[in-house]
Amino acid sequence: NAGVTQTPKFRVLKTGQSMTLLCAQDMNHEYMYWYRQDPGMGLRLIHYSVGEGTTAKGEVPDGYNVSRLKKQNFLLGLESAAPSQTSVYFCASSPTQRYGYTFGSGTRLTVV
Amino acid sequence: GDSVTQMEGPVTLSEEAFLTINCTYTATGYPSLFWYVQYPGEGLQLLLKATKADDKGSNKGFEATYRKETTSFHLEKGSVQVSDSAVYFCALIIQGAQKLVFGQGTRLTINP
Repeated sequence: NAGVTQTPKFRVLKTGQSMTLLCAQDMNHEYMYWYRQDPGMGLRLIHYSVGEGTTAKGEVPDGYNVSRLKKQNFLLGLESAAPSQTSVYFCASSPTQRYGYTFGSGTRLTVV
Repeated sequence: GDSVTQMEGPVTLSEEAFLTINCTYTATGYPSLFWYVQYPGEGLQLLLKATKADDKGSNKGFEATYRKETTSFHLEKGSVQVSDSAVYFCALIIQGAQKLVFGQGTRLTINP
């Protein structure tokens, strides 16, 4: 099915470890986004991209890096994981700003 | 800045009850408005949208009307089902902006 695919779905990291979350979309969307969702905090934007080769900071970018080398992929990296980064991470994509987003099913990350 | 305010939850109703979830917004420009739904353990799904004043978005028995005079986009359903239990997010985007602004979400529980 066409859509947004996130890998992995679950991961447990030790403090200080690094990892990369992959988001892939097959809808030829220009815009891609990474959010985190914590209990009682709603959605918070980490980083986003308005096209291949571009990235921009969102509300909570510290401790994360991103890359958009190919239009269909948007990678979120944690260089040195901290327990405060325990969360559910969602990727989303959109063809234009006003169209609305398509979300992935999420990655549940626990940092111990 | 641009913002979205939703009624606080959780909201608990009995099956077949009438549902209203309030959403009001503050926008510096002319927004498009959205409702998203998140079922347990899943990502957000676009439920409905409206792009101009007096537009009515509808889907799966849910409706919301874009009211410019009251800056509101309240979600309604005439007869809820247990399967409607989820978290509902109101969101907006301003023309020319690059990202959605989300409300905090309202958790809805429907009892049989």
